[in-house]
Amino acid sequence: ETGVTQSPTHLIKTRGQQVTLRCSSQSGHNTVSWYQQALGQGPQFIFQYYREEENGRGNFPPRFSGLQFPNYSSELNVNALELDDSALYLCASSLQQGANYGYTFGSGTRLTVV
Amino acid sequence: SQKIEQNSEALNIQEGKTATLTCNYTNYSPAYLQWYRQDPGRGPVFLLLIRENEKEKRKERLKVTFDTTLKQSLFHITASQPADSATYLCALDYRGGGNKLTFGTGTQLKVEL
Repeated sequence: ETGVTQSPTHLIKTRGQQVTLRCSSQSGHNTVSWYQQALGQGPQFIFQYYREEENGRGNFPPRFSGLQFPNYSSELNVNALELDDSALYLCASSLQQGANYGYTFGSGTRLTVV
Repeated sequence: SQKIEQNSEALNIQEGKTATLTCNYTNYSPAYLQWYRQDPGRGPVFLLLIRENEKEKRKERLKVTFDTTLKQSLFHITASQPADSATYLCALDYRGGGNKLTFGTGTQLKVEL
């Protein structure tokens, strides 16, 4: 049983650019959530996907968007990058939608915006 | 607005002692509460989930309590080991909150020899 895989592990982008982060969910998990974690803070919920549909969104602007594919893998896209977008981006998969199951997190993508 | 508070200061304890971490919340009616462990540069690892109608949950050396009247959860690690050193995060599922987990800022635990 494989866990959650995220790519790339590290990324440096320039302000104003666009970025795509990728996530392969754990086998058998149909729900994917994305989180942003700033240094010294807890993860902040961005959005969740269930069976290719957005199923809940946190307080993030529309320039944060996502996709989930039929194999339940997922992408996070961020347009018009700002310096404050620098953070660890975490993908988490779970067996069902909702938080009544523990999430399996990937190791994250460290994004630096300069 | 909803708020989750965990001890912001690091907790240092001696090996073999019991570590107790606190998670307090306000303006919530959570259906579930979860605890995660996070090591530097890694994603959180799920440890335990406790439901609102459960008072206590155990898993090996870990114990979680959930008091919905006090709006508090306690996380205990008995017979602590240096390998238990990490940041521990509590997370709540907010009923009606769009199927999201809301995390606290975490408490850093250091177990010394």
